[in-house]
Formats: sequence, structure tokens, C-alpha cells
Amino acid sequence: QVQLQESGPGLVRPSETLSLTCSVSGGSISSSYWSWIRQSPGRGLEWIGYIYYSGTTNYNPSLKSRVTISLDTSKNQFSLKLRSVIAADTAVYYCATLPVVTPPYYFYMDVWGKGTTVTVSS
Amino acid sequence: DIQMTQSPSSLSASVGDRVTITCRASQSINNYLNWYQQKPGKAPKLLIYAASTLQSGVPSRFSGSGSGTDFTLTISSLQPEDFATYYCQQSYSTLFTFGPGTTVDVK
Repeated sequence: QVQLQESGPGLVRPSETLSLTCSVSGGSISSSYWSWIRQSPGRGLEWIGYIYYSGTTNYNPSLKSRVTISLDTSKNQFSLKLRSVIAADTAVYYCATLPVVTPPYYFYMDVWGKGTTVTVSS
Repeated sequence: DIQMTQSPSSLSASVGDRVTITCRASQSINNYLNWYQQKPGKAPKLLIYAASTLQSGVPSRFSGSGSGTDFTLTISSLQPEDFATYYCQQSYSTLFTFGPGTTVDVK
């Protein structure tokens, strides 16, 4: 069974870049879709984006100008970078995987990491 | 964006009760609807996908139904471990969106 673990700084200064990594164990990152989701009291659950193992990405338009999700197949990890952060980016950040699907393409997040809290503050 | 709403926002129930949670989409999403359960301090857990398909390992007391804009999650006989918050999520659009959640607590 695939397991995911988020890691990264718990505190980021405003205007800087939030960088998180999700380590994948029990399976290869060279399959499936890999996603980031965040949760805050004010915004609830918010999907950030995903990357397909081929490198294709899909981002939430509200964050697209600031977000990059990338894969590191050599380390079996994928990463999130969110630039120019503000206080509203304070949240619990989760990584998750979506199985590769065939038509009619029912996407769902079936394995989640435990989450990591990121606070944006000076 | 496709907006998801849920009702009620919270409900109180007892062990053994039948519980029904409703999710509504702002436009038709066919059956591209998933349900998750979240307990405090934990990540969401997938319960149901494609509106009515039970995820492997999820107890059969959970069921989902609906299509188009209106969906329901039913717990046929509430168990102590089912007190939690439940979220719906649509994957019809390439912008996935979640509902605001329904909290089920102890009556």
C-alpha cells in the first residue's frame, strides 16, 4: 500500500516561497497522479493541483500564477512550490495520490499523507 | 468554478441512527462525485467515488447515491467511529472543488 509523507518548513515569511516535499513509499512515483490539497478554517479544503507521472500538470486557476508541482523520480518524491505567500496561505497542506483511470475518468484521491501545517508570518 | 454545498452543516445523532447527508453541485456533474470522512487532526479518508462506488475496505453501512446536481451519503447504522466531518468533492471539472463539510456529532 502506498504511503505518503509531507515535509518542509512550518513557518514561511510573507512574500517568500513555500516549499514542501511529499515522499512516496510502497510504490513508484512513475505511475498515478500526485496532488496537493490544503485546508484552512477560512477556506476549507482547497485543491491546489496535480502532476501526472508523465509530467503533465493541472493547477487550480486561483493559484496557477504562483504554483509549481514537480516530480523527482530518482528520490520517489514530488514537490510543491508556492511563491509570494501571504497570510491567507497559512494552512495544513496534504499530498495525495489519484489512481490512473480509464474513461469515463473518475478522479478521486485515495491515499493521503498526514498533512503538515504551514504558517505564513513575519 | 463548480460550487458544492452540503446540508446540514452539522447534525447530532446517536449510535444506531440512520444518517443522511446531502451534497448539491451548482451545475450538473453527472456522477463525478466523491465522499470523504475526516476526523480531527487527521487527513481526509476516501469513502465513496463515482457517487456510489464504495472504496475498498470501507464498511458497507456507508452508501452513496445521486446524479446530476443532487447527491446523498447515507450511513445506515451509525457507529461510534463514524462521528466525524464528511466532505463531498466533484471531479467533473478539471478544477476539483470540495463542499464545506457536514459534522456528525454525538446527540
